[in-house]
Amino acid sequence: DVKVTQSSRYLVKRTGEKVFLECVQDMDHENMFWYRQDPGLGLRLIYFSYDVKMKEKGDIPEGYSVSREKKERFSLILESASTNQTSMYLCASSLRLAAQETQYFGPGTRLLVL
Amino acid sequence: GEDVEQSLFLSVREGDSSVINCTYTDSSSTYLYWYKQEPGAGLQLLTYIFSNMDMKQDQRLTVLLNKKDKHLSLRIADTQTGDSAIYFCAVGSSASKIIFGSGTRLSIRP
Repeated sequence: DVKVTQSSRYLVKRTGEKVFLECVQDMDHENMFWYRQDPGLGLRLIYFSYDVKMKEKGDIPEGYSVSREKKERFSLILESASTNQTSMYLCASSLRLAAQETQYFGPGTRLLVL
Repeated sequence: GEDVEQSLFLSVREGDSSVINCTYTDSSSTYLYWYKQEPGAGLQLLTYIFSNMDMKQDQRLTVLLNKKDKHLSLRIADTQTGDSAIYFCAVGSSASKIIFGSGTRLSIRP
């Protein structure tokens, strides 16, 4: 079974803090994704990575950066957290980028920025 | 931009069928998905349908696609309390180009 884990289930940070969200997958998947989930908006793709050190912007990359130094780990970084980044963050991974390839999701990190 | 719309809530009686509907705007989407999110968990892919199909059945789940009307539905037969969750409709043509709906919260009443 594929397992995608996220470092924290809940996180509370202050405006202006630098925030790191970590995601680890154990199935040697090439591709990893970061989404945010907001009520009434569904999931929106922030960034994805198709290989180590490779990244592509998703639909809403502003205010975020990512890091993929190892294949199994994909980090989302909020350089200076703001209240409008309060959200649920979901990480996912997939073996290939083909549309029919299943994305496996982690349980999510609920971030509150005060 | 491209959009996927679904109603926010659905309540059904235990044992009845649930039908969750979704409309989308991107006619180039090759795959259409249904994901389930249980409380406190990430999304889990339930099923998907290729755009040249009009129906797919998998045990209690039936997916219907009306490509002309850009309408996708998920029918859950004999709905059980364990089916309580948020169901997301999504469409896409590659893993990095999947558009998700806002989710339908399915609640089951006894």
